Amino acid sequence: EDKVVQSPLSLVVHEGDTVTLNCSYEVTNFRSLLWYKQEKKAPTFLFMLTSSGIEKKSGRLSSILDKKELFSILNITATQTGDSAVYLCAVEGPPRGADGTSYGKLTFGQGTILTVHP
Amino acid sequence: GAGVSQSPRYKVAKRGQDVALRCDPISGHVSLFWYQQALGQGPEFLTYFQNEAQLDKSGLPSDRFFAERPEGSVSTLKIQRTQQEDSAVYLCASSLARGGGSNEQFFGPGTRLTVL
Repeated sequence: EDKVVQSPLSLVVHEGDTVTLNCSYEVTNFRSLLWYKQEKKAPTFLFMLTSSGIEKKSGRLSSILDKKELFSILNITATQTGDSAVYLCAVEGPPRGADGTSYGKLTFGQGTILTVHP
Repeated sequence: GAGVSQSPRYKVAKRGQDVALRCDPISGHVSLFWYQQALGQGPEFLTYFQNEAQLDKSGLPSDRFFAERPEGSVSTLKIQRTQQEDSAVYLCASSLARGGGSNEQFFGPGTRLTVL
């Protein structure tokens, strides 16, 4: 059974701090790993990672994947109160279609609750 | 539309009542997913549609759960004889293509179901 584990489960920091969120996984026939930010609404897409060692960046957020050790990290530098949210890690697993095409079915971790105080 | 929409946003049901949750995906999106998110947990896959075909329903927790997408656009998730353990946020997501890992899933705001 596919499994995604995130740590820590919750994190409280002050504005300006840098945080690192962790995601480890066990998935048969790994295809991609995705990070989402969830406030009190729909999860919003942050990054998709498919290759090891290639850092993806978007502003103060960055992420990298290690397919050998089966984990990913999400870094947020100079945190702001608007970064407060649940950060979800998800992994896309094995193909489902008759032609081998993956459906994009995602297995999510439990999430990390990040609280940034002013 | 501009994004995935879901209705109702909140639903309170008495135990044993049937409920129907609606999802309007982004126009033209082939793939549609339903997820269940219990309090304090990540979303869990329920079922997947490619156009009108339900290709994977392995995540549906019991035969009380039924989903359809008859015309390949709007989808309805129906829960019969609701139980307290059905209380959760039900998320719908759509993506443009039929899979392949390179297409972002766009999530709706979810329907929060509370069963009393």
